[in-house]
Amino acid sequence: AQSVTQPDIHITVSEGASLELRCNYSYGATPYLFWYVQSPGQGLQLLLKYFSGDTLVQGIKGFEAEFKRSQSSFNLRKPSVHWSDAAEYFCAVGARTNAGKSTFGDGTTLTVKP
Amino acid sequence: DTAVSQTPKYLVTQMGNDKSIKCEQNLGHDTMYWYKQDSKKFLKIMFSYNNKELIINETVPNRFSPKSPDKAHLNLHINSLELGDSAVYFCASSQDPGAGGYTFGSGTRLTVV
Repeated sequence: AQSVTQPDIHITVSEGASLELRCNYSYGATPYLFWYVQSPGQGLQLLLKYFSGDTLVQGIKGFEAEFKRSQSSFNLRKPSVHWSDAAEYFCAVGARTNAGKSTFGDGTTLTVKP
Repeated sequence: DTAVSQTPKYLVTQMGNDKSIKCEQNLGHDTMYWYKQDSKKFLKIMFSYNNKELIINETVPNRFSPKSPDKAHLNLHINSLELGDSAVYFCASSQDPGAGGYTFGSGTRLTVV
């Protein structure tokens, strides 16, 4: 069965500082991996995805993530955080079978200090 | 033009009532999903349809019944609502189940009183 762990429930960073959100997954084969962002009262928006090829993937809003098979990780990074990045972030693993079901982590709440 | 639209955005109803949530996507995607997000923001898949065919049916009370009249629409009907059904329900669609990621609607906040 596929699963995702986001070890950090809540992270606070200062505006302009760098950010790394952690994600560990469990899946029997090479997974599809995703990061989504959810602003208050909104739906989830896809930031980036990995399914093959280059292990460093670029996404929207200046985010990137690196797939590390040996560590079963897919951490999200941003070099300089903006106040508008404050939101809930979800990592997800998608199945290559089972109708492409995505399983989501429990989320990390990002607070940005001025 | 909203890609995945859900109605209503808010729904307040009494226990025991029956209610429906509607979802429409204009992206031409073949696969649609219902997810439930609880008060702790945990997301759990409920159902998925691919071109009107039910392909995922998670462990959900049979009071919940999805219906897909065509591949652009996926509705969720809930019978005999209970307090524990209070949550935000998200509709999503995908062109490439698994690899493509989802496009989500903005959610329906259901409150059962």
